Amino acid sequence: SQTIHQWPATLVQPVGSPLSLECTVEGTSNPNLYWYRQAAGRGLQLLFYSIGIGQISSEVPQNLSASRPQDRQFILSSKKLLLSDSGFYLCAWSTSTLGPITGELFFGEGSRLTVL
Amino acid sequence: AQTVTQSQPEMSVQEAETVTLSCTYDTSESNYYLFWYKQPPSRQMILVIRQEAYKQQNATENRFSVNFQKAAKSFSLKISDSQLGDTAMYFCAFLRAGNMLTFGGGTRLMVKP
Repeated sequence: SQTIHQWPATLVQPVGSPLSLECTVEGTSNPNLYWYRQAAGRGLQLLFYSIGIGQISSEVPQNLSASRPQDRQFILSSKKLLLSDSGFYLCAWSTSTLGPITGELFFGEGSRLTVL
Repeated sequence: AQTVTQSQPEMSVQEAETVTLSCTYDTSESNYYLFWYKQPPSRQMILVIRQEAYKQQNATENRFSVNFQKAAKSFSLKISDSQLGDTAMYFCAFLRAGNMLTFGGGTRLMVKP
């Protein structure tokens, strides 16, 4: 069966420090991968998505970047965190666009980032 | 661009009663998919129900059903016989190209004993 894991679950970082959130998927190959941010009391905002290794698309300009060094690994990074980067970050995967389009995303447990 | 709007930030319902969560969306596409996702407290988000726009019949999954009004671009979720475990954030979502979902702002549902 497929599983998705992201870590760390909770992170408190000072302004200006770097960030690295990791996400890995197991039990599937060539998944679409996504990073969403959920701000307090708001919906989910798509930050990045990837359809393959090294292929990253950004939905909104921001202080963050993403990388996909391996087929089932997706990393969210920042060189210098801002206060506005605080939030709940969710990694998700879906079947490849070459497969059935079901629209179902499978989400990780989430990473809560607090920037002080 | 597609947008998804959930006009009810918070709702509450008594256990065993029925509650309806509202969702409207905007798109120029004729065929698409709509979804309701559930995010329980401190737990992973999961898919509740899916509706394909070309299907006129409303989707149902046990106690969960939708009222899909394509002309009105409305997609509400009805939860019958509410249970304490239904307490969660509920997100309406629209599927666009590339298996990418656009989410609404969410509705926080509290089921009261």
